[in-house]
Amino acid sequence: KAGVTQTPRYLIKTRGQQVTLSCSPISGHRSVSWYQQTPGQGLQFLFEYFSETQRNKGNFPGRFSGRQFSNSRSEMNVSTLELGDSALYLCASSLDPGTPRGYTFGSGTRLTVV
Amino acid sequence: ILNVEQSPQSLHVQEGDSTNFTCSFPSSNFYALHWYRWETAKSPEALFVMTLNGDEKKKGRISATLNTKEGYSYLYIKGSQPEDSATYLCAFKPGKAGNMLTFGGGTRLMVKP
Repeated sequence: KAGVTQTPRYLIKTRGQQVTLSCSPISGHRSVSWYQQTPGQGLQFLFEYFSETQRNKGNFPGRFSGRQFSNSRSEMNVSTLELGDSALYLCASSLDPGTPRGYTFGSGTRLTVV
Repeated sequence: ILNVEQSPQSLHVQEGDSTNFTCSFPSSNFYALHWYRWETAKSPEALFVMTLNGDEKKKGRISATLNTKEGYSYLYIKGSQPEDSATYLCAFKPGKAGNMLTFGGGTRLMVKP
């Protein structure tokens, strides 16, 4: 069974540019969550999508947005990149939203903003 | 803002030592407490999901307990091995719809052979 796939694995962008990251969940999983990990802040929740709808949103500026497609694949977009957006972005998928099961994480996309 | 704290931040032990970490979380609006192991260059891997006060879970040499009334969970590793070296994360899930976890800062465990 394929795991959670995130692409690309690494990305270097310039300040002011925008970036799109992709996450393909485990087949059958309808909930996809996104997290940002920085050395100083640890893992922080960005947003969660379920059935193409954003269900929860973390405390991030509007430059961070996302969407989910009918096949449950999700993308997140960061516009007007800042140096502080350099981080590891992880997505996690879950079979049963709201059910207490562990989430399956992808390997992440490491974004460097220069 | 939910506050989830883990201690210690890092721990160096010798192979064979037993160790434990603490996770404290809000005692109100509790739904679940997750534990993950995150090895370098890999993805976080779910260890336990705990929901009931007094819950105890075990997976091989690793076990965890939960106290929702006072808002803490302990993770124990018996007879640490070098392959246990990783960052251990706890995450709090509040009682609201959807999947949203608030993570602690993690405990980085290094086991020396």
